[in-house]
Amino acid sequence: KAGVTQTPRYLIKTRGQQVTLSCSPISGHRSVSWYQQTPGQGLQFLFEYFSETQRNKGNFPGRFSGRQFSNSRSEMNVSTLELGDSALYLCASSPKRSSYNEQFFGPGTRLTVL
Amino acid sequence: AQSVAQPEDQVNVAEGNPLTVKCTYSVSGNPYLFWYVQYPNRGLQFLLKYITGDNLVKGSYGFEAEFNKSQTSFHLKKPSALVSDSALYFCAVRDPSTDSWGKFQFGAGTQVVVTP
Repeated sequence: KAGVTQTPRYLIKTRGQQVTLSCSPISGHRSVSWYQQTPGQGLQFLFEYFSETQRNKGNFPGRFSGRQFSNSRSEMNVSTLELGDSALYLCASSPKRSSYNEQFFGPGTRLTVL
Repeated sequence: AQSVAQPEDQVNVAEGNPLTVKCTYSVSGNPYLFWYVQYPNRGLQFLLKYITGDNLVKGSYGFEAEFNKSQTSFHLKKPSALVSDSALYFCAVRDPSTDSWGKFQFGAGTQVVVTP
C-alpha cells in the first residue's frame, strides 16, 4: 500500500498570501489529521476530519481551515500568511476514528513565509 | 486535559550501549500511549503503542517500552543502540475518555545521538 502523500513538499510564500496544502491518506483510511511542527512549539494539532466533517480542532486562528473530500483526501488552507506560519505541516491518517489506532504520517510540507 | 512530558531535550549514547528515552504523561482516565521517531526531513514513523494488557510493549526496530501506571511513565528502551537510531523521538498520548480520537498530544521530542 502506498503511504500518506503530501503535496507540495516545499513552498515559499510571502506575508499576506494564502496557501493550500494537500494530503492523500492511505487507501481505505477515512480519518485525516493535520499537525503543525515548529522548533519552538513542537507538534501541535490543527484539526481532524472524518467523513468530510471536521471532528476536532486545535487552538489555531480562523486563518487555518481545512476540508475533506468524499475520497478522504484532505486539504488545508492558510490565509493571510504570517512569518510565524513557517513550519512543517504534517498530515496523518487512520483507518477509522478509534483511540487505539496509531496514525500514519506523511513526509510533510515545508512552508516558508518570507 | 491530557499532557505528556519528555524531560530530556537530548540523549547521548555510545553505539552498543542501552538507550532509554523518558516520557511521563497526565490524563484523567487510562491512557493510550505511543512512540514515534522522526528522521531529518521526514514525517513521523510509528514505533509502538500501549493500549492495555502487558506493561512491556515490543515494537519496531528492536525498541520496547514499559508502561508504569504508578509513575505515569512510558519510557522507550533499546538494549543496544545503533548509529542509525540517531533521530528525534516523540512520545504521544490520547485520553480515550474524551473525544480526542483524531488528536494526539505530543511531547516536545528528545533528540537521540548515538556515537560510533
